[in-house]
Amino acid sequence: AQTVTQSQPEMSVQEAETVTLSCTYDTSESDYYLFWYKQPPSRQMILVIRQEAYKQQNATENRFSVNFQKAAKSFSLKISDSQLGDAAMYFCAYRSSSTQGGSEKLVFGKGTKLTVNP
Amino acid sequence: GAGVSQSPSNKVTEKGKDVELRCDPISGHTALYWYRQRLGQGLEFLIYFQGNSAPDKSGLPSDRFSAERTGESVSTLTIQRTQQEDSAVYLCASSLAPNQETQYFGPGTRLLVL
Repeated sequence: AQTVTQSQPEMSVQEAETVTLSCTYDTSESDYYLFWYKQPPSRQMILVIRQEAYKQQNATENRFSVNFQKAAKSFSLKISDSQLGDAAMYFCAYRSSSTQGGSEKLVFGKGTKLTVNP
Repeated sequence: GAGVSQSPSNKVTEKGKDVELRCDPISGHTALYWYRQRLGQGLEFLIYFQGNSAPDKSGLPSDRFSAERTGESVSTLTIQRTQQEDSAVYLCASSLAPNQETQYFGPGTRLLVL
């Protein structure tokens, strides 16, 4: 079974600075998807960024980018120019690309609480 | 609405009572998922629907938990004889199709069992 590990329960960053959140995963599959979701106090899970494992190029969405190291099974999230609105729980998630039964679910890490200091 | 909606937003119940949680997925999304989030934890998969059938129920923690989906839209998660350990946020997500990798989440239902 796949597992996702987020080793940083909490992180903090100064406004306008850059922060990197870590995520590692374990899988025997070669093709899969990886995600970062943001969960503010409102509980709404918001997709931040996604990465297809077959793509070598790291995904980027505005101030958010990932460092995807497939061999190391590492998928870190970098937030540049941090803003107060970035404060939230961040969850790393894995999804198999297989369409076999049981593979459609997302497997989540336990999350990292990000605090942005003004 | 444009997004996934869930009701109620919050539910307080007494131990032993039954509860029903509702999810309205994004219109046209054939795949629907239920997850549970305990306090301070990540999300745990409960069940997945493709249309009205449930190919994967592997995450349901006990036979007190059941779910159904009708008309390829609304889904109801039912917890019978609730226990205090059932207290959690229950989140629903939908995607356009099973092989569409992005799941869109609702705001969740916070369940508190006293």
